[in-house]
Amino acid sequence: SQQGEEDPQALSIQEGENATMNCSYKTSINNLQWYRQNSGRGLVHLILIRSNEREKHSGRLRVTLDTSKKSSSLLITASRAADTASYFCATSWQGAQKLVFGQGTRLTINP
Amino acid sequence: GAGVSQSPSNKVTEKGKDVELRCDPISGHTALYWYRQSLGQGLEFLIYFQGNSAPDKSGLPSDRFSAERTGGSVSTLTIQRTQQEDSAVYLCASSLILAGGLMAFGETQYFGPGTRLLVL
Repeated sequence: SQQGEEDPQALSIQEGENATMNCSYKTSINNLQWYRQNSGRGLVHLILIRSNEREKHSGRLRVTLDTSKKSSSLLITASRAADTASYFCATSWQGAQKLVFGQGTRLTINP
Repeated sequence: GAGVSQSPSNKVTEKGKDVELRCDPISGHTALYWYRQSLGQGLEFLIYFQGNSAPDKSGLPSDRFSAERTGGSVSTLTIQRTQQEDSAVYLCASSLILAGGLMAFGETQYFGPGTRLLVL
């Protein structure tokens, strides 16, 4: 299946530290996206990286993509309590409009 | 502008009853998606609408599930004869698909707050 898999499933760090989450997928993709979900409700789009890109930044977020390893990482620098949430990667591939989501990483930032 | 809205926010029903969940996408968005998320799990794709094209129903788990999109805007997801395993959060998302169906600028999906369904 195309499904992305996040690693780790859960991550707990102290406020101010950096958090790194990884995503692996199985087939060639068109793009990969990261979303955040608070309290099990709606998802918020964070960042999109295309298959021909290797790295993107948005504020405290840094995403990398390694298509040879079929993996991506999301780095949140200088974490804050408000970053506590579940983070999902989602992939799309050429010819398909739907996104396939992974199971998510539950991130907890301790004050 | 207004985001994606869903109603109701919460729905409790008895096993065997039918339920209807509503989604109002962002105005002008041509694509609409329904997902289901069980407790602590990722999102499971259910169905996708794009303009006047036939919907992609490949994710619907059984024939008890159906969805329609009227006038290219509002969508209703219907679950007939609900079962306890249908309990989940049902999420709707919309996005802007450019001409030719190429998701270039508008690949981002914008999600509603979801409907939490509990089947007793």
